[in-house]
Amino acid sequence: EAQVTQNPRYLITVTGKKLTVTCSQNMNHEYMSWYRQDPGLGLRQIYYSMNVEVTDKGDVPEGYKVSRKEKRNFPLILESPSPNQTSLYFCASSAYRSNQPQHFGDGTRLSIL
Amino acid sequence: QKEVEQDPGPLSVPEGAIVSLNCTYSNSAFQYFMWYRQYSRKGPELLMYTYSSGNKEDGRFTAQVDKSSKYISLFIRDSQPSDSATYLCAMIYNYGQNFVFGPGTRLSVLP
Repeated sequence: EAQVTQNPRYLITVTGKKLTVTCSQNMNHEYMSWYRQDPGLGLRQIYYSMNVEVTDKGDVPEGYKVSRKEKRNFPLILESPSPNQTSLYFCASSAYRSNQPQHFGDGTRLSIL
Repeated sequence: QKEVEQDPGPLSVPEGAIVSLNCTYSNSAFQYFMWYRQYSRKGPELLMYTYSSGNKEDGRFTAQVDKSSKYISLFIRDSQPSDSATYLCAMIYNYGQNFVFGPGTRLSVLP
């Protein structure tokens, strides 16, 4: 089954404690991205990657890091989380260069206390 | 002005009604247009995907694009309680490199 898998689905943690949210896709997609979704603000792109070792900032990259060492994985790293990063996060992937729509994971709800 | 405008709702309709959801956009570089459905505690799920101006139909769903007016619509016929969700419009430009999403419209279909 074609899917985008995120882990964990839920996480409560404290300010300053580094965390990583993993994302993996099994569709051999070149393009992967991370979004956060907040009430009234919709989906906002954090980072995206067009291929292995190629990443770029989206609209709200501050406080986040990403890496793309393998085609299937695109982890999101919060080096020093703060309460304003409490949000619902989605990973997505698509076949780049063919204008294909993105496929989304089921989300990770992060609460930073 | 935001790149994509969408009425956030909530929109409540009785079962069986025809629902019309709309987005306007300002960037004429947008090339492809999509509608996603998002249930509570789930990721957005692709419903419709279209490029050209005109209508595209899939079952009870019809997507309409008017590039000259920078306006897209999603029509749901014979709406069902299972259609209750948030509907997001989305647009692609720059040959698939950039995506922009509307804020979403929350729809409730009442039995």
